[in-house]
Amino acid sequence: GAVVSQHPSRVICKSGTSVKIECRSLDFQATTMFWYRQFPKQSLMLMATSNEGSKATYEQGVEKDKFLINHASLTLSTLTVTSAHPEDSSFYICSAASQGVSEAFFGQGTRLTVV
Amino acid sequence: AQSVTQLDSQVPVFEEAPVELRCNYSSSVSVYLFWYVQYPNQGLQLLLKYLSGSTLVKGINGFEAEFNKSQTSFHLRKPSVHISDTAEYFCAVRSTTSGTYKYIFGTGTRLKVLA
Repeated sequence: GAVVSQHPSRVICKSGTSVKIECRSLDFQATTMFWYRQFPKQSLMLMATSNEGSKATYEQGVEKDKFLINHASLTLSTLTVTSAHPEDSSFYICSAASQGVSEAFFGQGTRLTVV
Repeated sequence: AQSVTQLDSQVPVFEEAPVELRCNYSSSVSVYLFWYVQYPNQGLQLLLKYLSGSTLVKGINGFEAEFNKSQTSFHLRKPSVHISDTAEYFCAVRSTTSGTYKYIFGTGTRLKVLA
């Protein structure tokens, strides 16, 4: 299957700083990328959907100014958690989909810890 | 709006026994259904998918699922499980609205295979 690489796998940052997470589709062009947040032992909560070259569409309740999503190319999307707080600590997962392909492919996830 | 229900949050089963993980979805004209598996601290890996055609779908690692339109179900089965099948399993549906699509996940079922 297609490969999606997410980086970093783990990051610890200080409260008040910003953290950027990258999601790359390595062997296909991702027309749409999705960002999820997963709390311990819970399902994936969709945060936003981004199409290449367009502004991201955020789900209700997700602060767009806090979680900045950029999808500048067909192989790269980034999620920046701005002014991080301990409550932003979570597992963040990206997935990528391509036109004409039914399923989405997932990155390995990023464990963010804000101290 | 589309929704996915996984009634069983945890399923313990002995090694080499059969298992069924249940999934029900809200009805729609057409539906794409998926099962994903997640190992600890990792992203999601596609097990199998149903798009159309034969209602019995075979996937990786010996898993299969049956699409039942009248019962709006897509249960996952394996005739004989291994210790290595211990993981979190997510059922998902692809939802399309106004030309855009996203993936809706169930709450997950934790399969624990016992020796």
